[in-house]
Amino acid sequence: ETGVTQTPRHLVMGMTNKKSLKCEQHLGHNAMYWYKQSAKKPLELMFVYSLEERVENNSVPSRFSPECPNSSHLFLHLHTLQPEDSALYLCASSQRRGGLEQYFGPGTRLTVT
Amino acid sequence: KNQVEQSPQSLIILEGKNCTLQCNYTVSPFSNLRWYKQDTGRGPVSLTIMTFSENTKSNGRYTATLDADTKQSSLHITASQLSDSASYICVVSLGDFGNEKLTFGTGTRLTIIP
Repeated sequence: ETGVTQTPRHLVMGMTNKKSLKCEQHLGHNAMYWYKQSAKKPLELMFVYSLEERVENNSVPSRFSPECPNSSHLFLHLHTLQPEDSALYLCASSQRRGGLEQYFGPGTRLTVT
Repeated sequence: KNQVEQSPQSLIILEGKNCTLQCNYTVSPFSNLRWYKQDTGRGPVSLTIMTFSENTKSNGRYTATLDADTKQSSLHITASQLSDSASYICVVSLGDFGNEKLTFGTGTRLTIIP
């Protein structure tokens, strides 16, 4: 297991629900990332935080709302999702933004019904 | 068309055999190229990172090569083990220090059978 943990590991939610994904890194890193991984598609970068400040938002729909209260924690708040949002959501961290080594968490498998 | 193409999409080999996975990329200039291993239900784990000036790097039974002229990389796995069954993802990093962007391939799904 890496130094990046994610909860929950699996989540099933209806399109009208509100839920949150949590990521925690124990590596002392300053940058954290949210990625979306859909079947047979490359990982898609969603958000980047550096020193708790959002520095990148890759045209992600507003139904995904990130939050970074401190350098160790990252949340992804979900509301009114669509079935096509079903995917594996991966959190990663690195020592600095764009750092060579990104350490990934195990992911949250999200199913939207 | 994805800027990082991997082949084959999937591969099945017998335990103990060697195999080579390919990665062709079009992004340039790039600062480094990485190979990740992703077990089912897990996040990717870094295997190797090579800068544009390196042409080979090993990590145990994994050896990555890089030809910056032809924009090709390969990952060679020697004496495969059942635990090598996973997806292998090629990632190209471009951009300046502190502002790198990663471009991911779709991965090769490798299955090792006993």
